[in-house]
Amino acid sequence: DAKTTQPPSMDCAEGRAANLPCNHSTISGNEYVYWYRQIHSQGPQYIIHGLKNNETNEMASLIITEDRKSSTLILPHATLRDTAVYYCIVRVWGQGAQKLVFGQGTRLTINP
Amino acid sequence: EAGVTQFPSHSVIEKGQTVTLRCDPISGHDNLYWYRRVMGKEIKFLLHFVKESKQDESGMPNNRFLAERTGGTYSTLKVQPAELEDSGVYFCASSQGQGLDTQYFGPGTRLTVL
Repeated sequence: DAKTTQPPSMDCAEGRAANLPCNHSTISGNEYVYWYRQIHSQGPQYIIHGLKNNETNEMASLIITEDRKSSTLILPHATLRDTAVYYCIVRVWGQGAQKLVFGQGTRLTINP
Repeated sequence: EAGVTQFPSHSVIEKGQTVTLRCDPISGHDNLYWYRRVMGKEIKFLLHFVKESKQDESGMPNNRFLAERTGGTYSTLKVQPAELEDSGVYFCASSQGQGLDTQYFGPGTRLTVL
């Protein structure tokens, strides 16, 4: 399984862009990068995913390097409600199932 | 559209007792997943149903855990007998198709075994 490495914690000021890095140097060519987040005491929430091109949706942008060994999740205008643990996940195929493999994630704190 | 729901939200039981957790997926989602986080560790995959069939149960920790999805709608996860190390939060997720379809998570059931 491709592993991901994320910083354990980050801080960001409210209204600023939050940039969360993720390393996935062993990713295979057909594996996607997914981002989820978990706000305290809630279930994980899907944010965005991508293969090799940069992606953007209403929540965030995902920048994947050309060699696909790392990526950055960008929350363009962070709010206090974005305080959460953010998980960078590489989708693995196991016995036909697309299970998610969670790491420790990055605890992002948005400060007023 | 209703999301994934789980019941109960909290359960406190004594070691050796039995507990059954329930998950109702999003309507029309054939794929249902169970995950759990125990003792501050990472969220771990338990198993995956496609309709009523177990597609992957590689994450089930031992035979004290039994998951069912009769009729391919809601699912139950029974722990019998419960041990202290089973304490944690149990999450259910569902997706419409397989492949790389997005998995939508429920709020989780917090299980405490005393």
